[in-house]
Amino acid sequence: DAGVIQSPRHEVTEMGQEVTLRCKPISGHDYLFWYRQTMMRGLELLIYFNNNVPIDDSGMPEDRFSAKMPNASFSTLKIQPSEPRDSAVYFCASSLERGIGTDTQYFGPGTRLTVL
Amino acid sequence: AQKVTQAQTEISVVEKEDVTLDCVYETRDTTYYLFWYKQPPSGELVFLIRRNSFDEQNEISGRYSWNFQKSTSSFNFTITASQVVDSAVYFCALSEGNFGNEKLTFGTGTRLTIIP
Repeated sequence: DAGVIQSPRHEVTEMGQEVTLRCKPISGHDYLFWYRQTMMRGLELLIYFNNNVPIDDSGMPEDRFSAKMPNASFSTLKIQPSEPRDSAVYFCASSLERGIGTDTQYFGPGTRLTVL
Repeated sequence: AQKVTQAQTEISVVEKEDVTLDCVYETRDTTYYLFWYKQPPSGELVFLIRRNSFDEQNEISGRYSWNFQKSTSSFNFTITASQVVDSAVYFCALSEGNFGNEKLTFGTGTRLTIIP
C-alpha cells in the first residue's frame, strides 16, 4: 500500500511568489494533517482536516497560509506571498478514524521549501 | 495544556552499546496517547510505537523497548546493542484522548549518533 505522497519534494522560490504544496493521504484515511518543521520551532501542527473538513487551523501562522482539501485523496497548502521565514520542511500526515482515541499518524516524506 | 520534554538534545554512543532516550510529558487528561517517531538523516518521520494511558505494560520490539511509567509521567525508549542505522533524531509525542481531538504535541527531539 502506498504511503502518504507529497509533491514537490524540494521547492526553491523567490520572496513574493506563490507556493503550492500537495499531499495525497493514505487511501481510506479520514484525517489529514499539515505540519511544519524548523530548527527554531521544531515540529508544529498547522492545520488538520477530518473527512475533508478543516477542524483546527489555529496553527496556521497568518493569512498568507491557506489549506484546502477538495476531496478525500488530495490536499494543498498554499503560501501567498512567500517570505524567507517560511523556509522549512512541510510534512503531510494522515490517520484512520477508528473511534478508539487518537490513532497513529503516518507521515509523508516532506517538502523542503526554500524561499530566497 | 499538554507538553513533552526531551531533555537530551544529543547523545552519542559507540556501536553495540545500549542507549536510553528520555521523554517526560505533562497533561491534565486521564486518557491520553504517547508516540515515538524516528527521523533518519533522509528526513522522513517513521512511526515506532503508540501507547494509551491505560496500558502501562512495557513493550519490546526486537532491539527496541519502551518503559511507560505514569507515576513519573515518563515514556522512555531504549535501544539495545545499538547499530549505526539507529542514528537519527527521535521524537516523543503526546495526544489527549478526547475523541476527535487528534492533535499531536511533539517534543524537541533527541539526536542520536551511533559511532562505529
